[in-house]
Amino acid sequence: DAGITQSPRHKVTETGTPVTLRCHQTENHRYMYWYRQDPGHGLRLIHYSYGVKDTDKGEVSDGYSVSRSKTEDFLLTLESATSSQTSVYFCAIRSGASTNTEAFFGQGTRLTVV
Amino acid sequence: GQQVMQIPQYQHVQEGEDFTTYCNSSTTLSNIQWYKQRPGGHPVFLIQLVKSGEVKKQKRLTFQFGEAKKNSSLHITATQTTDVGTYFCAGSGANNLFFGTGTRLTVIP
Repeated sequence: DAGITQSPRHKVTETGTPVTLRCHQTENHRYMYWYRQDPGHGLRLIHYSYGVKDTDKGEVSDGYSVSRSKTEDFLLTLESATSSQTSVYFCAIRSGASTNTEAFFGQGTRLTVV
Repeated sequence: GQQVMQIPQYQHVQEGEDFTTYCNSSTTLSNIQWYKQRPGGHPVFLIQLVKSGEVKKQKRLTFQFGEAKKNSSLHITATQTTDVGTYFCAGSGANNLFFGTGTRLTVIP
């Protein structure tokens, strides 16, 4: 498996509290992505990064922010968690955005907002 | 925005039967990738198709990319219990990677 680690792996938090999920890679890949996975919706892109301090929104970015101050770390923050953000969150990395670049996924973070 | 739809959403087959999942995009894709996610696991890359009309095989799995590069399919011949999981297609956009809704395959022994 590629060197990609998500933390925490599981978290239960209360509505209205801030939550930060961390994705750490040791591959020096340029591209990093945050997805959420919910039944019936597949993998939906939240935010992505194409370099240090270069980020952009995905299709479900409302309520989420990200930061990438170093190549190896991509943080996803829920400023004020809501029950609709209960989900499994996956981080992925890619060396490039062109063809012939597969994505490698972390193990996922299961977040429950109560 | 870019959208990729997959059908069916779920498929139950008897072991030994064939299985096919279809992926359709609203826009022309530069390439398409397929991933497999085992229950409780994370998506794992299977293959990438780039050329119009391309067909690739991996043992019992056959992947096709449509002539118009807007659709793709994954066919599994003679399913085995090890094939269970969710299969996703994915297309590349400008810097991003967007996934289809996935097809969950159950294989009944």
